[in-house]
Formats: sequence, structure tokens, C-alpha cells
Amino acid sequence: AQTVTQSQPEMSVQEAETVTLSCTYDTSESNYYLFWYKQPPSRQMILVIRQEAYKQQNATENRFSVNFQKAAKSFSLKISDSQLGDTAMYFCAFMKPNSGYALNFGKGTSLLVTP
Amino acid sequence: DTGVSQDPRHKITKRGQNVTFRCDPISEHNRLYWYRQTLGQGPEFLTYFQNEAQLEKSRLLSDRFSAERPKGSFSTLEIQRTEQGDSAMYLCASSFGGGPYNEQFFGPGTRLTVL
Repeated sequence: AQTVTQSQPEMSVQEAETVTLSCTYDTSESNYYLFWYKQPPSRQMILVIRQEAYKQQNATENRFSVNFQKAAKSFSLKISDSQLGDTAMYFCAFMKPNSGYALNFGKGTSLLVTP
Repeated sequence: DTGVSQDPRHKITKRGQNVTFRCDPISEHNRLYWYRQTLGQGPEFLTYFQNEAQLEKSRLLSDRFSAERPKGSFSTLEIQRTEQGDSAMYLCASSFGGGPYNEQFFGPGTRLTVL
């Protein structure tokens, strides 16, 4: 079974600053996919960014980027120029092929962006 | 464009009662997933459907849990003889096709409280 660990239960960052959320995972699979999802307070979970394990280039989506270290089984999320609307729970998730494409989530990191 | 909807949004029941939740996916989505999210945890995969076929149900938590998607559109999740440990948020997600690049869109969830 794959485990996803998010070691930072809570984080805080000031508006316009940069913050990095950590995620590690454990798997014996060679090909898999990693995701970051955002769950704003009382709102639906939405996809932030995804990364395929075979791709060495780190994924980027606007202010969001990842640092994928396959050997270390690490997948951190960097949020640049933090905005108040980034306040949310952030979940790291793992997906392996041939598993029905179910997502396996970590416990989440609560991010608070302050003015 | 309507997203994934779930009904009810909140359900309070007494231990031993049966409850049923409904999920309406995005109209053209043929895949539908159910997850459970307990307090302080990330979502946990329960089951999924491809059209009306339930392709994975071994991760349902016990035989008290069952899910249906009779016409390949909406789905229901039923919990029989509820227990206090069933208190959680039940999330539904849908996607067009299975795969890491077929984004799962999540609904707002049904929050179940078992007294």
C-alpha cells in the first residue's frame, strides 16, 4: 500500500511571500502520479497541480510549482506571491495506474495566508 | 456549468439507523468515485463506478456500506446500522474517463453525524 505523509499540520505565510509545503510518499511502483489538491474553507476540493513520476521536469501552474525528487520520494509544493485566497487545506495525493485511478491522500496541511 | 452536487449536505442520525446519500456527477462524466474524510484526515477512497458498473468495492469499509449507480448517472451511498465511527464527510467525485489526466471534480460533500 502507498502511504503519503504531510509532516506540517499547519503553516502560515504573509501575503506576497513564498511558502513551501512538504510531502513524502512510500511506494514500490516505478510509474505513478502525484497531485496537490486545495480545499478552501467550506468549499469543494480542487486540483492545483499534477506530476507524472516519469517526467523529470517539475510541473508549474502559474504561482504554483513542485519540487519532485523521485529518489527521495519527495513532492513539495511551492506557492509564490501568496494571496489571501490561497488560505486552504492542501492535500498531497498519490495515484498508481491499474488501481482504478483512485487517489490516496495525505492528512493535509492547513495554510493560512495573513495580510 | 454545474459541478458535482451532493444531497443532503448535512445528515444527523441516531446510531443503528440507515442513511442514504446521493451524488449527481457532472453530466458527461462516466466515472464516479466515493471517498470518506474523517476529522483531521485526508479523503479515503471507498469505491468507484465506470458508467453503471462498480469496478472496485473492496475498499468499502464494511458490509454495512453499499453503493449503486443504476443508470450510470447519479449514485447513492448507503450505510446500514450506522455507528458513531461512521461520522465523517462523504465526498463524491466524477471524471470523464479514468486516468491521471482525467481530473476528478469533487462535490461539496455530505457531513454525517451519528449520535
